[in-house]
Amino acid sequence: EAGVTQSPTHLIKTRGQQATLRCSPISGHTSVYWYQQALGLGLQFLLWYDEGEERNRGNFPPRFSGRQFPNYSSELNVNALELEDSALYLCASTLPERGGPDTQYFGPGTRLTVL
Amino acid sequence: DQQVKQNSPSLSVQEGRISILNCDYTNSMFDYFLWYKKYPAEGPTFLISISSIKDKNEDGRFTVFLNKSAKHLSLHIVPSQPGDSAVYFCAARRYGNKLVFGAGTILRVKS
Repeated sequence: EAGVTQSPTHLIKTRGQQATLRCSPISGHTSVYWYQQALGLGLQFLLWYDEGEERNRGNFPPRFSGRQFPNYSSELNVNALELEDSALYLCASTLPERGGPDTQYFGPGTRLTVL
Repeated sequence: DQQVKQNSPSLSVQEGRISILNCDYTNSMFDYFLWYKKYPAEGPTFLISISSIKDKNEDGRFTVFLNKSAKHLSLHIVPSQPGDSAVYFCAARRYGNKLVFGAGTILRVKS
């Protein structure tokens, strides 16, 4: 069974540009989460999508946005890029179930570098 | 609001010995706790979880202990191996809500 996939692996942009990151969840999973991991820091929660709806949002500015498509894949868009947006962006998927831990399975990440 | 705390930024252990990683939480409504392991520049890998109605769960070299009265859980790795060197994240979940992660603990296993 294929795991969570993310593209691109690396992305280099300049300040002010826009970045689009993509995520394909494990087959059958309906929830997708996005996290940011800046160098030396923990996992910062960005966005949570389930069944096409945004369920929750972390403490990030509105220039971070995303969506989930009918096939449950997801996109993260970052507008007006700033130097501090340079980080590893991780996507995770899960199948929410009452009585279970909703284990999130992570993709390999997209390394975004803003110059 | 740090609901999940990993107070030790790093831990160093000799190969073959036990590694104990600790995690504290504040929200008594959490019903599941999970541990993840992360290598640099990779996504975290799920290790083990425990339901709040249990006090221990074991999977091979990994055992998680939960002390609800103290709102504390720990991950034991026995025996520790050099390949276990990674960042370990504790996470907690309340049904219907997002997973809450701790800041992580860097484990170094020396050979």
